[in-house]
Amino acid sequence: AQTVTQSQPEMSVQEAETVTLSCTYDTSESDYYLFWYKQPPSRQMILVIRQEAYKQQNATENRFSVNFQKAAKSFSLKISDSQLGDAAMYFCAYRSARSSGDKLTFGTGTRLAVRP
Amino acid sequence: DAGVIQSPRHEVTEMGQEVTLRCKPISGHNSLFWYRQTMMRGLELLIYFNNNVPIDDSGMPEDRFSAKMPNASFSTLKIQPSEPRDSAVYFCASSPLGVTRTYEQYFGPGTRLTVT
Repeated sequence: AQTVTQSQPEMSVQEAETVTLSCTYDTSESDYYLFWYKQPPSRQMILVIRQEAYKQQNATENRFSVNFQKAAKSFSLKISDSQLGDAAMYFCAYRSARSSGDKLTFGTGTRLAVRP
Repeated sequence: DAGVIQSPRHEVTEMGQEVTLRCKPISGHNSLFWYRQTMMRGLELLIYFNNNVPIDDSGMPEDRFSAKMPNASFSTLKIQPSEPRDSAVYFCASSPLGVTRTYEQYFGPGTRLTVT
C-alpha cells in the first residue's frame, strides 16, 4: 500500500518570503501522480499543483513549484512571494496511474501561517 | 458550471439516529469518491465508484456505513446508527473517467457531521 508522509505539522513564513513544504511517499509503482491540495478555513479542497511521475521536469503554477525527486520519493512544494491568502492547510497526495478512476492517498497535512 | 454539490453542509444529530449525506457530482464525471476528514485520522477514502459501480469500499469503517450511487448524478452515504466517533467532515469528489489518466478530483464543500 502507498503511504504519504508530511513531517512538518506547522510552518510559518513572512509575507513576500519563500517557504518549502516537505512530502515523502512510499510506493512500489513506477507510474503515478502526485498532488498538492490547499485547504483554507472554508474547508474547500483546492488543487494547487500536479506532477506526473514519468515527467522529469518539475511542475510550476505561478508562485507555486515543486521539487520532484523520484529516486528519493520526495515531492516538496515551494511557495514564492508568500501572500496572506496562502495561509491554509496543505496536503500532499498520491494517486496510482493504473486508471484515471483511482483514489487519492493523503498525507497528514502541514498548516502554513503567513506573518504580515 | 456547478461544482460538486453536497448536502447538507452541516448536520447535527443524536447518537443512534440515521444520517444520510448526499452528493451530486459534476455532470459528465464518471468517478465519485467519498472521503472523511478527522483530526485523528486525517483524510481517508471511504469508498469510490466508477460508472456507478463500487470499486473499493475497504475504507468503510463498519456495517453501519453504506453508500449507493443509483445513477450518474447522485450518491448517498448513510450511517445507521450514528455514533459520536462518526463526527467528521465528509467530502465527496468526482473526476472524469476515460483513456486520459491525468484527471484531477474535484471536491465538494464537505458536510460537517456532529453526532452528540
